[in-house]
Amino acid sequence: GAGVSQSPRYKVAKRGQDVALRCDPISGHVSLFWYQQALGQGPEFLTYFQNEAQLDKSGLPSDRFFAERPEGSVSTLKIQRTQQEDSAVYLCASSFYQGANGYEQYFGPGTRLTVT
Amino acid sequence: AQTVTQSQPEMSVQEAETVTLSCTYDTSESDYYLFWYKQPPSRQMILVIRQEAYKQQNATENRFSVNFQKAAKSFSLKISDSQLGDAAMYFCACVLSGAGSYQLTFGKGTKLSVIP
Repeated sequence: GAGVSQSPRYKVAKRGQDVALRCDPISGHVSLFWYQQALGQGPEFLTYFQNEAQLDKSGLPSDRFFAERPEGSVSTLKIQRTQQEDSAVYLCASSFYQGANGYEQYFGPGTRLTVT
Repeated sequence: AQTVTQSQPEMSVQEAETVTLSCTYDTSESDYYLFWYKQPPSRQMILVIRQEAYKQQNATENRFSVNFQKAAKSFSLKISDSQLGDAAMYFCACVLSGAGSYQLTFGKGTKLSVIP
């Protein structure tokens, strides 16, 4: 079956613009994660959904970051008033449920956001 | 909170030779899983190998094996018979298997080059 998909793959935004990044998880996966990966760094956790419920948003760096998953499948990460420090690759990952398959998460290809 | 440290920013290995990537972690929890993920230049993160903390036996997946030293909180990855396709960023990661959001905590990564 299809893996995790993300769109757009690349996004260039001018400072101050709002952006929306989309994630389509693997069908049937209950858990969905967003990570931010700065250049040359490992991914860092942003937020976690179980179905449509956002159970952990402790990694969101500011109130300019907002994520939703209204129907428990597709998720959108929105960044308002983008700043240069928001430039990074945003990775989405999904898993069937907590603990399933040894906690393995399946990653999408990421969206590279560049803020100019 | 758990931390993961990879002390080797870059490594290189001759094709067909063996290389070991290092990882140490720190957590006060007793139930957790450890992972090695591979991220080729295309950016899609792929699971290489997984180790359950409660298992004493080191995990093995074909040419990939780990040396898990729980007391030392060390989790190294050995790649045998290295191939050109093994060239990538390798990330060590940890997830707690108790209550929580099951987020992955990553190290900063090791860039592996394979020399023909």
